[in-house]
Amino acid sequence: AQTVTQSQPEMSVQEAETVTLSCTYDTSESNYYLFWYKQPPSRQMILVIRQEAYKQQNATENRFSVNFQKAAKSFSLKISDSQLGDTAMYFCASNSGGSNYKLTFGKGTLLTVNP
Amino acid sequence: ETGVTQTPRHLVMGMTNKKSLKCEQHLGHNAMYWYKQSAKKPLELMFVYNFKEQTENNSVPSRFSPECPNSSHLFLHLHTLQPEDSALYLCASSQARRVMNTEAFFGQGTRLTVV
Repeated sequence: AQTVTQSQPEMSVQEAETVTLSCTYDTSESNYYLFWYKQPPSRQMILVIRQEAYKQQNATENRFSVNFQKAAKSFSLKISDSQLGDTAMYFCASNSGGSNYKLTFGKGTLLTVNP
Repeated sequence: ETGVTQTPRHLVMGMTNKKSLKCEQHLGHNAMYWYKQSAKKPLELMFVYNFKEQTENNSVPSRFSPECPNSSHLFLHLHTLQPEDSALYLCASSQARRVMNTEAFFGQGTRLTVV
C-alpha cells in the first residue's frame, strides 16, 4: 500500500520569494512516479511536475523544481519567484502502477502568496 | 480547461433524492476515475474504469453507483445519501493503466451538499 504525507496544512510566502512544500511517501514498489498537483480556487486540479523514481536528476519546470531524496522517501516542491497566481492547494501524489494505475494523494498544503 | 468537463458544478439534494453526476472527456483517454474530496482529508479514490470496465471499487457504499457507457463518459448515480457524503466529487481521466508516468487530467468537480 502507498501512503503520502504532507505535514504542512498551510503555508504563506511573499511575492517573489521562494517557498518549499514538504512531502514524504511510503511504497513497497521498486518503480514509481511522484507528482505535484495544484488546485487553485477555481478547483480544477492541474499537474505541476512529475518525477520518476529511477531518475536521480531532480525534475524542473520553469519556476518549479523538486528535491527528490529516494532513500529518505522525500519529495519536496520548491517554488521560486512566487507569484500571486501560485496561491492554491498543492497535493503530492504517488503512483506505482502495477495492475492498476492509482494515484495516492496527500492531504494537501494550502499555499498563500502575499503581495 | 483540462478537457474534462463535469456537470453540474453544484448540487444540493435531500437524503431521499436520486441524482446523477456526469463527467465527459475529449482527450482520447481510456481510463476514468471518481475521487471524493472532503475537507482536511486526502483525496479518496472511489472507482476506476479502464476501457469501460470497472477495475476498482475502493469499498464505496452501494448508495454510489458508477456507470461508464463508453470511454468518454462517466456517471455517478446517487441515491439515499447521507449528510457525511457532502463533498467535492472529482472526475479524472488518463491513458490506460500500466502507464505510470501518465498525467491524470481532472474536471472542476461537483460540489455536493446533502441536506
